Amino acid sequence: KQEVTQIPAALSVPEGENLVLNCSFTDSAIYNLQWFRQDPGKGLTSLLLIQSSQREQTSGRLNASLDKSSGRSTLYIAASQPGDSATYLCALNSNSGYALNFGKGTSLLVTP
Amino acid sequence: DVKVTQSSRYLVKRTGEKVFLECVQDMDHENMFWYRQDPGLGLRLIYFSYDVKMKEKGDIPEGYSVSREKKERFSLILESASTNQTSMYLCASSLTGAHGYTFGSGTRLTVV
Repeated sequence: KQEVTQIPAALSVPEGENLVLNCSFTDSAIYNLQWFRQDPGKGLTSLLLIQSSQREQTSGRLNASLDKSSGRSTLYIAASQPGDSATYLCALNSNSGYALNFGKGTSLLVTP
Repeated sequence: DVKVTQSSRYLVKRTGEKVFLECVQDMDHENMFWYRQDPGLGLRLIYFSYDVKMKEKGDIPEGYSVSREKKERFSLILESASTNQTSMYLCASSLTGAHGYTFGSGTRLTVV
């Protein structure tokens, strides 16, 4: 079964820093990988979707990369802001099933 | 944009009650999913459906059932609510397995 790990579990950075969130997975047979953001008590908001044939996707200050051979994805956040404080979740859609497999998330705090 | 709407943000129910959680999506998506989210355990799949009247068990189906009579609506049913079903419930949909997933805003259920 696909195992998804996110490190670190929590991260605190001062405003303006660039940062990287990591996601690793055990089975490279995936359709795609999706990064989500979750604010406390709320649902999940999709940030970026990377298809298995792609290496990266960008949206504004966010850049996500995918390296299937090493079982890794990173989410890069440039010039972090306090409004970026949230939990970030990595999820994979494996070839063997319909449903997403989630990591447990990285809780990010950006301090002013 | 696809919208996934969960009928209630917060619910409080008594032990033993039958509970219905409703989810509606507006973009003709084939697949719909129910997850629950608990601290330390992350998101776990309860049930999913890939077509009308079709359903598949996820990782933790015990104590739950689902109904999909129309393509746009996927209902989660707690047959006899118990306190260990207190959780955040998240509904999601996707066009196909190769597409990104869209989540609703969640239902925080408390069983007393």
